[in-house]
Amino acid sequence: EAGVAQSPRYKIIEKRQSVAFWCNPISGHATLYWYQQILGQGPKLLIQFQNNGVVDDSQLPKDRFSAERLKGVDSTLKIQPAKLEDSAVYLCASSIRTAGSTEAFFGQGTRLTVV
Amino acid sequence: AQSVTQLGSHVSVSEGALVLLRCNYSSSVPPYLFWYVQYPNQGLQLLLKYTSAATLVKGINGFEAEFKKSETSFHLTKPSAHMSDAAEYFCAVSVAGSEKLVFGKGTKLTVNP
Repeated sequence: EAGVAQSPRYKIIEKRQSVAFWCNPISGHATLYWYQQILGQGPKLLIQFQNNGVVDDSQLPKDRFSAERLKGVDSTLKIQPAKLEDSAVYLCASSIRTAGSTEAFFGQGTRLTVV
Repeated sequence: AQSVTQLGSHVSVSEGALVLLRCNYSSSVPPYLFWYVQYPNQGLQLLLKYTSAATLVKGINGFEAEFKKSETSFHLTKPSAHMSDAAEYFCAVSVAGSEKLVFGKGTKLTVNP
């Protein structure tokens, strides 16, 4: 079974530029998440999709971050314009609910450096 | 709201020694609890999970964790550390009906030869 695919793996941009990350979840997984992991911290949920609908985006900085999930499959996270504090690893995960619990599977992440 | 506190951002053990990584949770409803491991430049991999069945949960790579409601704890243990266990470990909580994971800040485990 193929895992969660993310691209690019690394990105360096200047502040005020824009950037986009792509995620392809595991086939058949209805739920897709984007997490932000700042160095030295645990991952923080930015947005959660169920199929192509948003379930939770309460911690997404909507003035600069946007995300969409086309046709309920792959997803794109965009930052425009980027700030220095956006430097982090952006993790995509997907999950499917089984009896009694849900297990999230994570991609390798995209490491963003804003200079 | 749920939250997780991991005691100790860094833990160092000798190869062959007991590994104990501490996690305490806060939740107003019965929680689901998880331990994930992250190797350098990799995503997170599930080690084990507690979902209200047996309180002692066994995971991959010889790790286990015990859910203690009275102590609101879910500490991760392994009897004998191996060099390959060196990584960062994250405890996370969610609740039934919500697939959102709330993570702790992580504990970096170093294994010395």
